[in-house]
Amino acid sequence: DVVLTQTPPTLSATIGQSVSISCRSSQSLLDSDGDTYLNWLLQRPGQSPQLLIYSVSNLESGVPNRFSGSGSETDFTLKISGVEAEDLGVYYCMQATHAPFTFGSGTKLEIK
Amino acid sequence: EVQLVETGGGLVQPGRSLKLSCVASGFTFNNYWMSWTRQAPGKGLEWVASITNSGGSTYYPDSVKGRFTISRDNAQNTLYLQMNSLRSEDTATYYCTRDRIFTPFDYWGQGVMVTVSS
Repeated sequence: DVVLTQTPPTLSATIGQSVSISCRSSQSLLDSDGDTYLNWLLQRPGQSPQLLIYSVSNLESGVPNRFSGSGSETDFTLKISGVEAEDLGVYYCMQATHAPFTFGSGTKLEIK
Repeated sequence: EVQLVETGGGLVQPGRSLKLSCVASGFTFNNYWMSWTRQAPGKGLEWVASITNSGGSTYYPDSVKGRFTISRDNAQNTLYLQMNSLRSEDTATYYCTRDRIFTPFDYWGQGVMVTVSS
């Protein structure tokens, strides 16, 4: 199975600060169809996860554009440009290139 | 508005069975693959099962293969998860999710808790 390693496990930020979360894969996530199926999700406290970004860098509808994703093959990054209070929670990367689908262990974002 | 509402959770003894349901609304159910994903208390996320829009094909990780069965009733806009031979490690919140093409888990239900304990 593909192992996704997220760093850091915990992140503390002030409002307005920009932060980045890394997700490294044990295998290339480039699919034979040319696409890379690496997504980012946010789980706010007490809530279900929600999709933020799909296929590395595509912003899900309704998600603020302070969120952005980048990367390729095995190294991926989620960036939040100007953290807002509503961004606290646990961020997960997940891959859908290889079966079974797998998730990273999560990065908890705390607001100072 | 897309809504996914799970029911059927509860406390069950090891080795017993439980069936979860998820009623979908706000989208054309039979156009989408659907999945179940779970989260053990205080832990991360684990994909549990997926089913094609017609119900003709199903997919599972090794951890539940042979014990869990995903199914759907497109006439009733309902997704199911039949869980047999339950183990303590199956204790988790189970989420029903909708899957777009190449983008699984684009919508999530509120989740239902399953506790396996004697």
